[in-house]
Amino acid sequence: EVQLVQSGAEVKKPGDSLRISCKGSGYSFTSYWITWVRQMPGKGLEWMGRIDPSDSYTNYNPSFQGHVTISTDKSISTTYLQWTSLKASDTAMYYCATLGGGGFTSSWMRDWGQGTLVTVSS
Amino acid sequence: EIVLTQSPGTLSLSPGERATLSCRASQSVSSSNLAWYQQKPGQAPRLLMYGASSRATGIPDRFSGSGSGTDFTLTISRLEPEDFAVYYCQQYGGSPLYSFGQGTKLEIK
Repeated sequence: EVQLVQSGAEVKKPGDSLRISCKGSGYSFTSYWITWVRQMPGKGLEWMGRIDPSDSYTNYNPSFQGHVTISTDKSISTTYLQWTSLKASDTAMYYCATLGGGGFTSSWMRDWGQGTLVTVSS
Repeated sequence: EIVLTQSPGTLSLSPGERATLSCRASQSVSSSNLAWYQQKPGQAPRLLMYGASSRATGIPDRFSGSGSGTDFTLTISRLEPEDFAVYYCQQYGGSPLYSFGQGTKLEIK
């Protein structure tokens, strides 16, 4: 069974840095791209970016590029989402998911993590 | 940028009724690149349909998807109590690479 287990909720101050994680199990970690999705309180889903765990190749939504970094450590089957300087507007639930459909043209989000709630407040 | 517009915003129906949810794209989307998700309160989204009309693993056959080009539909043939949730469509291939509709809330009448 494919499982994505995300790190726990975080409370941070504006300007803080943060890295949250998503650990895959039950499948060959390098076989499926991983993507990150933001959901602000009471709002819809927004695609942030994706990474190929086999070679760390990434694509970002232009709306998030430069503000977040997606990385991976395939030795421990874990993908990360990182901020160097958080803003209050980063307060949201963040989900990781595997991408289905095959490689670079994977078009759907197949298995989802449970979400990590990030709260940024002074 | 491909914008997905879902309608209606809220759909009020009773268990046993048929639900029809619409997703309209601002530009043509390949059917192979259109997916639907269900999200219940406090839960992560769950993949329902991919390739516009293929059910994901474990999804009951009362869920069906159809459409092509710019118009796609998710149909739930007979609503069960557990089907009341928010539904999102999602496309791949535009700019940004992936985008979601704003969601349709299916609520109990």
